[in-house]
Amino acid sequence: DIQMTQSPSSLSASPGDRVTITCRASQRITNNLNWYQQRPGGAPKLLIYSASKLQSGVPSRFSGSGSGSDFSLTITSLQPEDFAAYYCQQTYSPPLTFGGGTKVEIK
Amino acid sequence: EVQLVESGGGLVQPGGSLRLSCAASGLTFSDYDMHWVRQPTGKGLEWVSAIGSAGDPYYADSVKGRFTISRENAKNFVYLQMNTLRAGDTAVYYCTRGAVGATGHFDYWGQGILVTVSS
Repeated sequence: DIQMTQSPSSLSASPGDRVTITCRASQRITNNLNWYQQRPGGAPKLLIYSASKLQSGVPSRFSGSGSGSDFSLTITSLQPEDFAAYYCQQTYSPPLTFGGGTKVEIK
Repeated sequence: EVQLVESGGGLVQPGGSLRLSCAASGLTFSDYDMHWVRQPTGKGLEWVSAIGSAGDPYYADSVKGRFTISRENAKNFVYLQMNTLRAGDTAVYYCTRGAVGATGHFDYWGQGILVTVSS
């Protein structure tokens, strides 16, 4: 199985900050890497797919990069609604594993 | 607009069974892979099972041999039959759609349904 390791597991930031979350796969997964946001009490929401493609309707302050086994999600200028949990996921091969999550909290 | 609505959750004793249903609307259902993802309270996401558009099933090791996924294209439903349930299966279960294309990312999610396994 492909293991997905996200870091950090949590971070504190202020509105307007730039934040980067990283995700490492235990083997190469080309660009089959997706990012999801989950607000408290809600279902996950797709932000980025294929490592760097912005899902329709997602603000441009979200961006993804990477290929192979190392990936990152960047949020420029954090907004109040961005304080949430973020998960990476590989869809290269079953089981389609998720990272452990990163909780972005208000400083 | 695509909508996924789960039902069938609840409280069940260890060793018991439950069948989750997911009603899909706003899409050509037979074209898409469908997945179940679960999340224990306060913890992360775990992919559970998938069924391809052709009906091919896939399972996480943690549920293989106990859970069965199926679909009914004529009614736009996907099901998850859960047998021999354990306390560790307690979670919110989400139904999700796998997007068409190479990456198969999960572009639509249901609101989730709680399954509690406890005596």
